[in-house]
Amino acid sequence: SQTIHQWPATLVQPVGSPLSLECTVEGTSNPNLYWYRQAAGRGLQLLFYSVGIGQISSEVPQNLSASRPQDRQFILSSKKLLLSDSGFYLCAWSVRGGVNYGYTFGSGTRLTVV
Amino acid sequence: AQSVSQHNHHVILSEAASLELGCNYSYGGTVNLFWYVQYPGQHLQLLLKYFSGDPLVKGIKGFEAEFIKSKFSFNLRKPSVQWSDTAEYFCAVRGVDKIIFGKGTRLHILP
Repeated sequence: SQTIHQWPATLVQPVGSPLSLECTVEGTSNPNLYWYRQAAGRGLQLLFYSVGIGQISSEVPQNLSASRPQDRQFILSSKKLLLSDSGFYLCAWSVRGGVNYGYTFGSGTRLTVV
Repeated sequence: AQSVSQHNHHVILSEAASLELGCNYSYGGTVNLFWYVQYPGQHLQLLLKYFSGDPLVKGIKGFEAEFIKSKFSFNLRKPSVQWSDTAEYFCAVRGVDKIIFGKGTRLHILP
């Protein structure tokens, strides 16, 4: 069966420090991969998605970047964190070409920038 | 571009009350619609989805949603809520290679 792993679960980082959040999927090939940020009262904001290795689509201009170095690995990064980067980050995957079936979400990373 | 609007940000009901959470969408292509739920401390999970066919969709835990094309709506309903339905509910619409979510509705059920 397919599983999605996201780590770390919680992270406290100082302003100006770098960030790397990792997401991996097991049990499937060629998934679509997604990074969302969830903020209270603002729902789920799509940050990046990827339909293949090295293919990244950015939805909103921001201080973050994403990379997909392997088929089932999706990384969210920042060179210098801002206070406004605090939030709950969710990774998700869907079957390639089957986004109409919905996503499966990871357990999320709570990032606090201090 | 696709978008989703959820009418209520916070809903408080007593147990056994009926529930209807509003959702309106805009999307020019083939419509696929979803409701996701996030129980306290748990993952986001799919509650139900609409692809085509019968506009009344039944999901888990007694929830259902009705797709009304003329109103661009996909409202979530449950005839009698339970305390365990306390959660945040997200309506979503499928776009090209992605899903767009609404801002969510926090549902609080009083025992």
